[in-house]
Amino acid sequence: QKEVEQNSGPLSVPEGAIASLNCTYSDRGSQSFFWYRQYSGKSPELIMFIYSNGDKEDGRFTAQLNKASQYVSLLIRDSQPSDSATYLCAVKDSWGKLQFGAGTQVVVTP
Amino acid sequence: DVKVTQSSRYLVKRTGEKVFLECVQDMDHENMFWYRQDPGLGLRLIYFSYDVKMKEKGDIPEGYSVSREKKERFSLILESASTNQTSMYLCASSPPAERFTDTQYFGPGTRLTVL
Repeated sequence: QKEVEQNSGPLSVPEGAIASLNCTYSDRGSQSFFWYRQYSGKSPELIMFIYSNGDKEDGRFTAQLNKASQYVSLLIRDSQPSDSATYLCAVKDSWGKLQFGAGTQVVVTP
Repeated sequence: DVKVTQSSRYLVKRTGEKVFLECVQDMDHENMFWYRQDPGLGLRLIYFSYDVKMKEKGDIPEGYSVSREKKERFSLILESASTNQTSMYLCASSPPAERFTDTQYFGPGTRLTVL
């Protein structure tokens, strides 16, 4: 069983709509969670992190964390064509290692 | 801003060659990591290092070794390259683990092709 699970997509989203990405993890002791964006052929870049239950907003992005359900999500509001990318969910263990999901591909259609 | 650089963006090698991939970070980070990324498999950790001359195996260390002689530099070595090591290789660095809100910062990646 994979430790971090994401739907691979592609997730097709009309321009201006909300994209909703989900991630589940298996290690109940995980403390911090990260969302990366990766454009094709490029390296991952950090969008945001969250470590407390609830919502955290940063511009058009909102991360949601529910530790009881071992679930973290990312919402992208007012989706733009430039948001088309693969989004990686990562969970940090006590050694500082990140466990990555395989990523969800998002395609924003004009 | 954190800067992580890798020695090559693209590399083509032949089966059996010894391959060196270099990574340098300029933020005095203690932790450094090597991943490979393949379609459908995501990022997989090869090796990591918490300090100079320290190394730990990740999830897929077979066929690889590493070297960390200086804090800022972490090298990945393919002792005898094989075609199944064709992949995108990503280096990352981060501050110590106790700062759990700190994440890893990635270099631009090296796309290695082994013929």
